Amino acid sequence: GIQVEQSPPDLILQEGANSTLRCNFSDSVNNLQWFHQNPWGQLINLFYIPSGTKQNGRLSATTVATERYSLLYISSSQTTDSGVYFCAVPRVGGGADGLTFGKGTHLIIQP
Amino acid sequence: GAGVSQSPSNKVTEKGKDVELRCDPISGHTALYWYRQSLGQGLEFLIYFQGNSAPDKSGLPSDRFSAERTGGSVSTLTIQRTQQEDSAVYLCASSLGLAPLNEQFFGPGTRLTVL
Repeated sequence: GIQVEQSPPDLILQEGANSTLRCNFSDSVNNLQWFHQNPWGQLINLFYIPSGTKQNGRLSATTVATERYSLLYISSSQTTDSGVYFCAVPRVGGGADGLTFGKGTHLIIQP
Repeated sequence: GAGVSQSPSNKVTEKGKDVELRCDPISGHTALYWYRQSLGQGLEFLIYFQGNSAPDKSGLPSDRFSAERTGGSVSTLTIQRTQQEDSAVYLCASSLGLAPLNEQFFGPGTRLTVL
């Protein structure tokens, strides 16, 4: 099946810093999602981004499908950004199936 | 409308007992997915439904696990003769449909503890 690798696994930053999280995947996909898992365990949708660039406030994401990677940018980070960030792609490349998740990036923003 | 809801939020059971977990998808979503999250295995896909049909059950960890969906809405995940390794958070998600309408939205999960 498709493999998803995220880096870095852990990241500790001071409030106000910027960060870039990376997601590599092993096969062609037509769908990619970024999630933030908050301290209560809820998975919050950040981006649905099969290709191109999207922005939402301080967050933006870019997926380069031909090179099989996606990047999540967080600018001017806040303590509420802490948590685990997951990327996920369809288990089957065509998208008609469940998601395969990476192991996540554990982000800690210190005040 | 409301998001995906799951019940119970927490379940503690004894080894060998059966448990039933429930998922209510977002209204109008035809596709429904079950996952589980455990410390050792991360987030793993279990099964999905398109309408009431589950085309592929190979993601279920063992034959003690089963799932059904009726009326194209509510789904239940049943674990028979629970084992300690079944302890995990069970997550449900739904999407409008399959690709390309397949952005998935997750519920809060059911935390299952098997003693």
